[in-house]
Amino acid sequence: EVQLVESGGGLVQPGGSLRLSCAASGFTFNNFWMHWVRQSPRTGLAWVARINPDGSDTKYADSVKGRFTISRDNAKNTLFLQMNSLRADDTAVYYCARESNMAAYNFVSWGQGTLVTVSS
Amino acid sequence: EIVLTQSPATLSLSPGERATLSCRASESVNFYLAWYQQKPGQAPRLLIYDASKRAIGVPARFSGSGSGTDFTLTISSLEPEDFALYYCQQRTWPPTFGQGTRAEV
Repeated sequence: EVQLVESGGGLVQPGGSLRLSCAASGFTFNNFWMHWVRQSPRTGLAWVARINPDGSDTKYADSVKGRFTISRDNAKNTLFLQMNSLRADDTAVYYCARESNMAAYNFVSWGQGTLVTVSS
Repeated sequence: EIVLTQSPATLSLSPGERATLSCRASESVNFYLAWYQQKPGQAPRLLIYDASKRAIGVPARFSGSGSGTDFTLTISSLEPEDFALYYCQQRTWPPTFGQGTRAEV
């Protein structure tokens, strides 16, 4: 069974940093593109970032480019999201998601999410 | 970026009835449109991808249609567990989601 378990969320002040992790199991992690997707009541669902199977290629939404970094450790089956210069509008539940092998940028498996709150 | 507009915002129906949900794109997304279901406290679940292809394990009562800018998700006969939020998502660059339609009893 595919499992994705996020951690690392919490309360952070504007301008601060957080590092999210996503532990993957139940599939061959280093075969799949992985993503971060966030959801807030204000802006709904929004794609954040994508990384290819060996970690050599990344893409970002314009709203986070230059502030967030997606990475992975295939030896530990773990996906990361380093978030710097956080702003109030980054407040959201952050999900890691596995890409479908039938359609790029479709998300076939999701974690339970971790809440990030940016507030003073 | 492409904006997806879903309608109606809320769909009030009874079990056994047919549900028709709409998603309109601000410009053509070809057939690169997916539908997700989300229940309270859960992550979204992929139902339909590439406009009309059912994801693994999705019941046959869910079907998708459309191309270009206009898409439809149909639930042929609502089961109690189908009352949830539904989102469309397009996968041209950059990928975007609609704002959701709530199917309620």
